Amino acid sequence: KAGVTQTPRYLIKTRGQQVTLSCSPISGHRSVSWYQQTPGQGLQFLFEYFSETQRNKGNFPGRFSGRQFSNSRSEMNVSTLELGDSALYLCASSFSQNEKLFFGSGTQLSVL
Amino acid sequence: EDQVTQSPEALRLQEGESSSLNCSYTVSGLRGLFWYRQDPGKGPEFLFTLYSAGEEKEKERLKATLTKKESFLHITAPKPEDSATYLCAVQGGGGETSGSRLTFGEGTQLTVNP
Repeated sequence: KAGVTQTPRYLIKTRGQQVTLSCSPISGHRSVSWYQQTPGQGLQFLFEYFSETQRNKGNFPGRFSGRQFSNSRSEMNVSTLELGDSALYLCASSFSQNEKLFFGSGTQLSVL
Repeated sequence: EDQVTQSPEALRLQEGESSSLNCSYTVSGLRGLFWYRQDPGKGPEFLFTLYSAGEEKEKERLKATLTKKESFLHITAPKPEDSATYLCAVQGGGGETSGSRLTFGEGTQLTVNP
């Protein structure tokens, strides 16, 4: 059974640009969550989608957005990139809400 | 607001030297406490879920325990391949809107020397 797949693995952008990250959950999983991981802040919750609806949102500015498609695949978008957005962005999936999360390997975003 | 504090930040052990990692938490209505292992360049890998005080779970050289205020991850006779960052997280709140949201600690970076 394939795990959570995130693309791309690495990304380099400049300030002011926007970026879209993709996540394919484990087959059959309907809940997808996104986390930002930085050395100083650890893992911070961004948002969670379940059946194409955003169910939960963390304390991040509106520049961070996401969506989920009917096949449970998810994308997150960051507009007007700032240097502080440099981080490892992790996607996690679960069969339903309230269950353990399975994480992908992440997308390492560097903003120059 | 849910909070998780892990200690120590880093731990260096000799192979075979047992020890424990600590996770202290404050949460409004604990629905689950999770332990994950993270290797460099990879996402966290699930280890255990604990739901109520007094619960214990084991997997190979690892044993997780839970009280009302903290959790411990005991590592017995560790091997170099146990070197990783160990993350603790809580799932709090309740109701349909809480979902799968986890609040993580900063982790304990464990190094086991041969």
